[in-house]
This record gives sequence, structure tokens and C-alpha cells, in this order.
Amino acid sequence: DQQVKQNSPSLSVQEGRISILNCDYTNSMFDYFLWYKKYPAEGPTFLISISSIKDKNEDGRFTVFLNKSAKHLSLHIVPSQPGDSAVYFCAASDIIGNQFYFGTGTSLTVIP
Amino acid sequence: EPEVTQTPSHQVTQMGQEVILRCVPISNHLYFYWYRQILGQKVEFLVSFYNNEISEKSEIFDDQFSVERPDGSNFTLKIRSTKLEDSAMYFCASSGERGVAYEQYFGPGTRLTVT
Repeated sequence: DQQVKQNSPSLSVQEGRISILNCDYTNSMFDYFLWYKKYPAEGPTFLISISSIKDKNEDGRFTVFLNKSAKHLSLHIVPSQPGDSAVYFCAASDIIGNQFYFGTGTSLTVIP
Repeated sequence: EPEVTQTPSHQVTQMGQEVILRCVPISNHLYFYWYRQILGQKVEFLVSFYNNEISEKSEIFDDQFSVERPDGSNFTLKIRSTKLEDSAMYFCASSGERGVAYEQYFGPGTRLTVT
């Protein structure tokens, strides 16, 4: 039962362009969403989060958009840089936050 | 910057053997978690731990698994009798608070290979 889905296993983007990573979820009780970045042989690193009371959160080059009615969130990276090449996981939790459900990840390659 | 550490980085064990994966969470954190990622698959929640007891566990976390905080710094995951399908990366995480406002910090992972 996959409650959080990332339907694109990979994405390639030219340096300087926008990267858009998508994530869908099924559980309407999810209230908090996070994006993690993971390099090979390392643990996931927190990137940005958003709670359900917002529809947008921005941190530098990273912006997360949440569409609750569509149960969809996206991560925008602009401009994309080669160092952004990594696997990006979205994760979701209910308001208690005791357990997070992860998507399968999207491997982003930023081409110089 | 404080970080979560995990040892060993790679553990090879034979099927049926017991393994203990060790984690040192960030020192002032109170909530601790174990996740695993089977090669090519998603990161899966195993268990959360607070105040010396399990807060929540997933279906994966069956009787073969146990967690412990034996002292003030370590947080361990024990697999009593390993199976081939336990081969995965195991990530430990910690957070200062439970709940949506507090992010979990992940360790680098331990790769467990069961032969």
C-alpha cells in the first residue's frame, strides 16, 4: 500500500533550468510534507517542508507547492545546479508526526 | 554541526545470525527512529522510540527486531535471526521533538548484507 508516490523515477535537466519533482499521496490525514535529498552512500538530508495550512514554502532556490485537493506536491529547484544531482524523496506524516511515509524517490541529474 | 553517526558502515552476516546495528543520535534529541531501504526500493519506516519505549512500529518490525537505548548515547537495532530479505541499508534518525515542526536528522546508514 503505497501512500506516497513519486511516479518519475528519474529526471534530467540542463544546468540553469528549472527542475520540477512531483509527489502524490493518498491519505487525506497527511498534514505535513517534507523533501529529502540523498546522495549515494549517504543518509537522506532534509531539504524543505510544508504543512497543510500553506500552499507554498520557499527556501532559496527550493520551493515546495502543495495542492491538498489534488493530494499533490511538487518541489521546484531554480536555477538547477550540477550539485543538485541526487535522489529526492518526498515524505508525509499526519499531524502527530510519529511516522513518516516515503515515496520511492526521483533521481535528478543536472547536466552542466 | 551535530550529526547522527552509525556503525558499522557495512555489516556482512550469515543467515540466522544475530546482528546489532548501532547509532549515536544527536545528543539533545529525544526521539529516535530506524528506517531501512532495500536496494532500489523506497525508504521504509521500521520503528520510533521515545522515553525508553517504542512509540510506533511498522508491520516490518516483527519479533525478530528489537531496539534499545542501552546508555545515554547509543540507540541500537537488533535483528535476532537474520534472513536474506533483511539485506538493506538501515538508517537511524533522531529529532528534538516529535511532530510536524521538527525534522528528523538521518545518519549515513549501515549496509547489511545477509548471505
